[in-house]
Amino acid sequence: QVQLQQSGPGLVKPSQTLSLTCAISGDSVSNKTTAWSWIRQSPSRGLQWLGRTYYRDKWHNDYDVSVKSRISIKPDTSKNQFSLQLNSVTPEDSAVYYCARDLGDYYASGIYIVYYFDFWGQGSLVTVSS
Amino acid sequence: QSALTQPASVSGSPGQSITISCTGTSSDVGGYNYVSWYQQHPGKAPKLIIYDVTDRPSGVSNRFSGSKSGNTASLTISGLQAEDEADYYCSSYTTGGPSFGTGTKVAVL
Repeated sequence: QVQLQQSGPGLVKPSQTLSLTCAISGDSVSNKTTAWSWIRQSPSRGLQWLGRTYYRDKWHNDYDVSVKSRISIKPDTSKNQFSLQLNSVTPEDSAVYYCARDLGDYYASGIYIVYYFDFWGQGSLVTVSS
Repeated sequence: QSALTQPASVSGSPGQSITISCTGTSSDVGGYNYVSWYQQHPGKAPKLIIYDVTDRPSGVSNRFSGSKSGNTASLTISGLQAEDEADYYCSSYTTGGPSFGTGTKVAVL
């Protein structure tokens, strides 16, 4: 059974960087048939997919256009985990953040088609406030 | 990506059947058979209950079923039980990233 365990600070100051980590058990971050996503949930935005990292022929990243200039998702194969960094945060970035396993297919054209998210972390409430 | 449209709330009595709609466009729900549904209880992470429009993961009750017609997907819960009271979200593939629905609160009367 796949389990995802999230960690990271719950309070971040405006303009600083939000950092979260998702430790994987029961699967590998390097699995060539899965991907690893970050999703957030807030009353104002609902559920919002932020981005993913995945390994096929090499490491790939996809990001939502709304955060693309501020986000970085990186794998750590030595610890079998992946991380989220979101820069220059504002109070609008306050949300519950989830990591999730992402099932889909990667095509040589560079397109990744996501089918569904089958395992989720427990969620991390992050508040952006001074 | 634009949010998929769901009714804010649906209610039913124990034993009844209810259906939740999820309306998108030909660029998401209508264009691909990659619609999934998630159940979320308060304070918990979403749980996958339907994938690829109609399929159920192992361990999910067969009281949950999915379907799609045109740009609208639907989740039906039959034999409604108290434990089904939760928020439900649909999701669909679309270029640029997956879209999620606005969410539906299911109340068991």
